[in-house]
Amino acid sequence: AQSVTQPDIHITVSEGASLELRCNYSYGATPYLFWYVQSPGQGLQLLLKYFSGDTLVQGIKGFEAEFKRSQSSFNLRKPSVHWSDAAEYFCAVLPEGGNKLTFGTGTQLKVEL
Amino acid sequence: ETGVTQSPTHLIKTRGQQVTLRCSSQSGHNTVSWYQQALGQGPQFIFQYYREEENGRGNFPPRFSGLQFPNYSSELNVNALELDDSALYLCASSKAGRGGYTFGSGTRLTVV
Repeated sequence: AQSVTQPDIHITVSEGASLELRCNYSYGATPYLFWYVQSPGQGLQLLLKYFSGDTLVQGIKGFEAEFKRSQSSFNLRKPSVHWSDAAEYFCAVLPEGGNKLTFGTGTQLKVEL
Repeated sequence: ETGVTQSPTHLIKTRGQQVTLRCSSQSGHNTVSWYQQALGQGPQFIFQYYREEENGRGNFPPRFSGLQFPNYSSELNVNALELDDSALYLCASSKAGRGGYTFGSGTRLTVV
């Protein structure tokens, strides 16, 4: 069964600083990979996804993620964080042809002004 | 295009009662999945519906059941509610085989 690890439960960064949120997955093949963001009391908004091809994926709100097969990682990055980026971020995997998204436990991002 | 809409947004039920949650899928999407998100956790897959049939199920007991209608909307029913059923229930729609899931804002269920 696939699994997703987000090792950082909480991260605090200053506004304008760069951000990297870590995600590692365990799966026999290369799954589809996703990053979602969740504001308090809200549903999940898709930031970006990786299915195949270029391993550097661009998403919305200035986010990008890089797939590294050798490390089974899909880390999320943003060069300059805005206060409005404060939220919870979830990494998720979906087996190719599968129907079950498996999520990590999330990383809570706090942005200091 | 319309997104995924869920109703109600909040609900309080008593232990042992039954509850029905509703979801309207995004226009053009024919698959609906339901997820349970307990406080401080990532969402957990409950089941998926495609062509009005259950198309995969997570580790949830049979008292969690669902329906999908010809217009692709869906219901999640939970019988004999337990305190641990308190959670945010998220609905996600997609086009079968395309892998992109659009989530609704969820229904917050509190069981007392």
